[in-house]
Amino acid sequence: GQQLNQSPQSMFIQEGEDVSMNCTSSSIFNTWLWYKQDPGEGPVLLIALYKAGELTSNGRLTAQFGITRKDSFLNISASIPSDVGIYFCAGQVSDYKLSFGAGTTVTVRA
Amino acid sequence: NAGVTQTPKFQVLKTGQSMTLQCAQDMNHEYMSWYRQDPGMGLRLIHYSVGAGITDQGEVPNGYNVSRSTTEDFPLRLLSAAPSQTSVYFCASSRGKTIYNEQFFGPGTRLTVL
Repeated sequence: GQQLNQSPQSMFIQEGEDVSMNCTSSSIFNTWLWYKQDPGEGPVLLIALYKAGELTSNGRLTAQFGITRKDSFLNISASIPSDVGIYFCAGQVSDYKLSFGAGTTVTVRA
Repeated sequence: NAGVTQTPKFQVLKTGQSMTLQCAQDMNHEYMSWYRQDPGMGLRLIHYSVGAGITDQGEVPNGYNVSRSTTEDFPLRLLSAAPSQTSVYFCASSRGKTIYNEQFFGPGTRLTVL
């Protein structure tokens, strides 16, 4: 499958901080998706991006579809404790197939 | 609506045993799929189905069988379990093509093969 490189692999957040993560690919995608997975649960869709350059928000989350169509980033503003979890990017390979990044694990800094 | 349900939640098998992971959805979704999630890797597609009676292979289909006799159910069969199949398995469904329709994931089945 197509390789998606997601970074950072993990991060620590302090309440109130803004955090950012990104995803890059050697292939072009027509759709980028961002998911969040809580412990013991399946991933849940946060944001879907359908056009190069598109900037979309969902509450405190903002994601952008890179202009080259080979990257995307996700920002979380004013972090809160419930933001912890694993965030995955995914690129649409075909009508029915997604390629997922390895995830960014977000943990609260003690 | 219960959404996407998976059973069992946890399972331990010995090498060579067979078993079926169950997946059901009550949203009348046409598309269903199975993924596996391994540490440090993204979800990888095993098999998918675009409707009752239609299945196709994903990225990592070897060692797994599926069938789709009804819209609601999409079981995943491990024919002869191997330690390499130790993973967390997720079932997902969507109304149609995933390019346009959100996929809803089940809570997962954590499988250990000894």
